[in-house]
Amino acid sequence: EVQLVESGGGLVQPGGSLRLSCAASGFSFSNYWMSWVRQAPGKGLEWVANIKQDGSEKYYVDSVKGRFTISRDNAKNSLYLQMDSLRAEDTAVYYCAGESAINSGCYYGYWGQGTLVTVSS
Amino acid sequence: DIQMTQSPSTLSASVGDRVTITCRASQSISSWLAWYQQKPGKAPKLLIYRASSLESGVPSRFSGSGSGTEFTLTISSLQPDDFATYYCQQYNSCSTFGQGTKVEIK
Repeated sequence: EVQLVESGGGLVQPGGSLRLSCAASGFSFSNYWMSWVRQAPGKGLEWVANIKQDGSEKYYVDSVKGRFTISRDNAKNSLYLQMDSLRAEDTAVYYCAGESAINSGCYYGYWGQGTLVTVSS
Repeated sequence: DIQMTQSPSTLSASVGDRVTITCRASQSISSWLAWYQQKPGKAPKLLIYRASSLESGVPSRFSGSGSGTEFTLTISSLQPDDFATYYCQQYNSCSTFGQGTKVEIK
């Protein structure tokens, strides 16, 4: 069974940093593009970033470019999101998401349970 | 950036109703469109990909159609478990979601 388990969320002050982790199991993690998707409280879904299987390509939504960094460790079956210079508008549940099939495109058949990031003083 | 617009934002319906949700893209995305269902406090669930392909395990009352800039999600006979929020997502240029359509009990 595919499992994605996020961790690392919490309360952080504006301008602060946080690192999210996603532990993957039940599938060949190193063969799949992986992504982060977020959802602000009471709002819709927003794609944040994705990363190629070997980490050689990374893409970001404009609002986080230069502040967030996506990375992965295939040996540990783990995905990460380093979030710096956090703003109040980054407050959201952050989901780790995996593409449905190898190189199928950035739509997601696999989702974690989400981890809440709150940016507030 | 490609913008996705869903309509309506909220839909009131009864069990057994046929329900249609529309999603429009600001430019052509061919058939690179997915649909998700989300219930409160839960992660989204993939329903449809490539505009009309049903994800494994999803009931056949769900169907998708369209190409280019206009797409629809149809629920042929609404069931109690279907009251939720639905999102479209374009993945022609990875990626943007629509703002969501909440299907509520009439």
